[in-house]
Order: sequence, then structure tokens, then C-alpha cells
Amino acid sequence: SAVISQKPSRDICQRGTSLTIQCQVDSQVTMMFWYRQQPGQSLTLIATANQGSEATYESGFVIDKFPISRPNLTFSTLTVSNMSPEDSSIYLCSVAAASGGGEQFFGPGTRLTVL
Amino acid sequence: LAKITQPISMDSYEGQEVNITCSHNNIATNDYITWYQQFPSQGPRFIIQGYKTKVTNEVASLFIPADRKSSTLSLPRVSLSDTAVYYCLVGEGGGSYIPTFGRGTSLIVHP
Repeated sequence: SAVISQKPSRDICQRGTSLTIQCQVDSQVTMMFWYRQQPGQSLTLIATANQGSEATYESGFVIDKFPISRPNLTFSTLTVSNMSPEDSSIYLCSVAAASGGGEQFFGPGTRLTVL
Repeated sequence: LAKITQPISMDSYEGQEVNITCSHNNIATNDYITWYQQFPSQGPRFIIQGYKTKVTNEVASLFIPADRKSSTLSLPRVSLSDTAVYYCLVGEGGGSYIPTFGRGTSLIVHP
């Protein structure tokens, strides 16, 4: 298993600003993902954070809006840029072992409200 | 990507067995089936995972027919604390892993 922490746990931001969310894992993991979960909805995968290279983004998500860093095997950041109220959501970091069958461990999430 | 369909909501009573079925018609050969539980204001938590036939652990069983186009999560003797959203996820182990969540099933357990 893996223990994941996220900072901040919640934030209220103004339109047009940017927020960087940090994800820290207590062990080295191969795969890290960033999800968005809007109220009452399922999880939508934003991107896979790749160590030492550019993240792999899913359809509908672009690097300019959601830049991601992953400098090592235990840490990643997601930035929500030029925010609008539509970006209000919970952002979740998750990790998985590449050799496993896909079991993922999730962080507690960051609740973002954009005014 | 596998298209996932599961019931939006289910109701049950304490002590009953609950079966939640997930449809994933275009599941790929390398895909595993994983179920997660999510409580409000928390990240999803792994429940069980399988590839084919039946898998059982201390909290649930997972039944997967031979064609693997569906799967059923079985929760024995549910309690009030099992009230949560249950997600079916289909994804490939290793390689080009793109984990896809279904809409989730909101299970409400009544006294």
C-alpha cells in the first residue's frame, strides 16, 4: 500500500489566478495520476504524471491549463492555471504500481473553489 | 477504452447481501477489473480486483463471467457504514495504463 498526502486540502481562489497542488507519496511508485471529480460526479482522469518527462494528458485536458511536474518517484504537482468557476472541483492524486493489475491508492483530494 | 455502465443507485437494508453489476462490453484482453469505494470528502479506496472467474477477500467477492463483459461486486451482510459510492474501473495492468472509472453506484443501506 501507499500513503498519499495532498496540499492544500482545500482552497478558495479568485478567477484568473493559478493554484499548485502538491502530492507526496511515502514510497517510490511508478505511476502517478491526477483526477478531477466534480460534485456528484465520477472521477475524470486529467493526466498521467511521468517522471522526468512531460505528462500524458487525456482528451479535453491540455498542458497550458494543467501543467504537471514529477521530479522524482515520490512527488508530483498539478497546477490549475487561469482559473474560472468551472474549475471548482476536487482534484485527486493517485498512484499505482506498474507491475500490478492496476490497483490504485488515492490521496484525500484538494477541494478547490473558484470565485 | 472500455465503456463502463453500472446502476446509478441502489438501496438495501442492514444484513442483506448486495450485488452491484458493472458492464464493460469492450474490455481489452489485458484489462483488469477493479472496484473502489468512496465516502464523501475522501478519495476512493480499493475493495477488490480480478481478471476472471471469482475473487474473494475479507470484505467482498467479485464474480467475472467467462466473456469478461461484465462483473458483479458482492457485499455480504451490509451495514450502515457500507453506504458509499462504488466505482467499477477497467484498466490495463502495466504498459499503457489508462484507468477509466464508471459513473459509480450510490449504495444506501437502511436500518
